[in-house]
Amino acid sequence: QSALTQPRSVSGSPGQSVTISCTGTSSNIGVYDYVSWYQQHPVKAPKLMIYDVTKRPSGVPDRFSGSKSGNTASLTISGLQAEDEADYYCCSFAGSYTMVFGGGTKLTVL
Amino acid sequence: QVQLQESGPGLVKTSETLSLTCTVSGDSISSYYWSWIRQPPGKGLEWIGYIYSSGSTNYNPSLKSRVTISVDTSKNQFSLKLTSVTAADTAVYYCARDAYNTHFDFWGQGILVTVSS
Repeated sequence: QSALTQPRSVSGSPGQSVTISCTGTSSNIGVYDYVSWYQQHPVKAPKLMIYDVTKRPSGVPDRFSGSKSGNTASLTISGLQAEDEADYYCCSFAGSYTMVFGGGTKLTVL
Repeated sequence: QVQLQESGPGLVKTSETLSLTCTVSGDSISSYYWSWIRQPPGKGLEWIGYIYSSGSTNYNPSLKSRVTISVDTSKNQFSLKLTSVTAADTAVYYCARDAYNTHFDFWGQGILVTVSS
């Protein structure tokens, strides 16, 4: 069960948009619409930002959006704000009732 | 509001068994799935496994031989046991509500468990 592949880091200036990719396989992202994204600030528990590829939980700003194409899912953050600086993890259902995470991406707001 | 709280020893000796409990408040454990997830220091997240209130479980294949997750519905708790631990098992361990086995919508604050001889 290999981890999903994410870029180690991305960056953007306040007000800009950034996209974080998450590449899986035809055994997870490519076949299931159960991709979720989590934001983690230092020394904090992860927080759900996107689920089922595109859905936002109540309270998550609409600046956060998700998408998927083939074996790759993406999280886009528009109108970057200083408080968006954090680590972001993708996660996918991987069949046989298992879940797999990405390695994480550090977002820096310049 | 659903709240989860991990508890257990913060230090476990090499080759022994790591045991943690997650207490759920604000929701009945008799709904949803409930998972354990861990994060080694400075590294990413790893799903360990889940349990449903019926007792049905499933585990990460890489840990399956050493993991047992159980549930106590009378106490609204579920637990993790990881046997034969090594330094590689040192991590922050999180419990989380696993919504329909597709995403984790509520998390505990996490507990650091260090494995040392």
